[in-house]
Amino acid sequence: AQKITQTQPGMFVQEKEAVTLDCTYDTSDQSYGLFWYKQPSSGEMIFLIYQGSYDEQNATEGRYSLNFQKARKSANLVISASQLGDSAMYFCAMRGRLGVQGAQKLVFGQGTRLTINP
Amino acid sequence: ETGVTQTPRHLVMGMTNKKSLKCEQHLGHNAMYWYKQSAKKPLELMFVYNFKEQTENNSVPSRFSPECPNSSHLFLHLHTLQPEDSALYLCASGEQGREQFFGPGTRLTVL
Repeated sequence: AQKITQTQPGMFVQEKEAVTLDCTYDTSDQSYGLFWYKQPSSGEMIFLIYQGSYDEQNATEGRYSLNFQKARKSANLVISASQLGDSAMYFCAMRGRLGVQGAQKLVFGQGTRLTINP
Repeated sequence: ETGVTQTPRHLVMGMTNKKSLKCEQHLGHNAMYWYKQSAKKPLELMFVYNFKEQTENNSVPSRFSPECPNSSHLFLHLHTLQPEDSALYLCASGEQGREQFFGPGTRLTVL
């Protein structure tokens, strides 16, 4: 079975500082993918960044980067130069190997509530 | 209109009511998903449809009945719900191997 663990229920960071959100995972699949989503108070889940298990380089998307350490089974999200608008819930998720009919399943962690202080 | 849309955004219903949630995606994806998000719990996958065929039912009670008439539309029919079914219901679509795109959700309250 796959499992995602996010050990930080909440984090408070000063504006413009960098922040790291932790995520560890457990899977027996050799091929898998890791995702980070942002959920503002409006409720919509916004995709941020993706890392494939065979990707040799850490994924980056603008101010977001994923610190992928395969041996440690961790996939931490790093947000550089944080902004007030970054305040939200952040969820780490993973997909395992594709299902028989090709539709992937995502397993989510419990999330981290990030608050950016001015 | 683009992306994934969901209606209604808010719904209050009694335990004896019958209602339906609607999801529509304009992204050309083949797979659609229903998730439930309760307070203080991770997102729970409920149903998966791939090419209009249900490929996953994650032990969801029969009072939730999904319907996927085509690859762009997904419904969740609700009947005789319980107060513990109150939650945010999120619809998503995607292609295999990549991210899923979520709608804004329907916040359901069962009285």
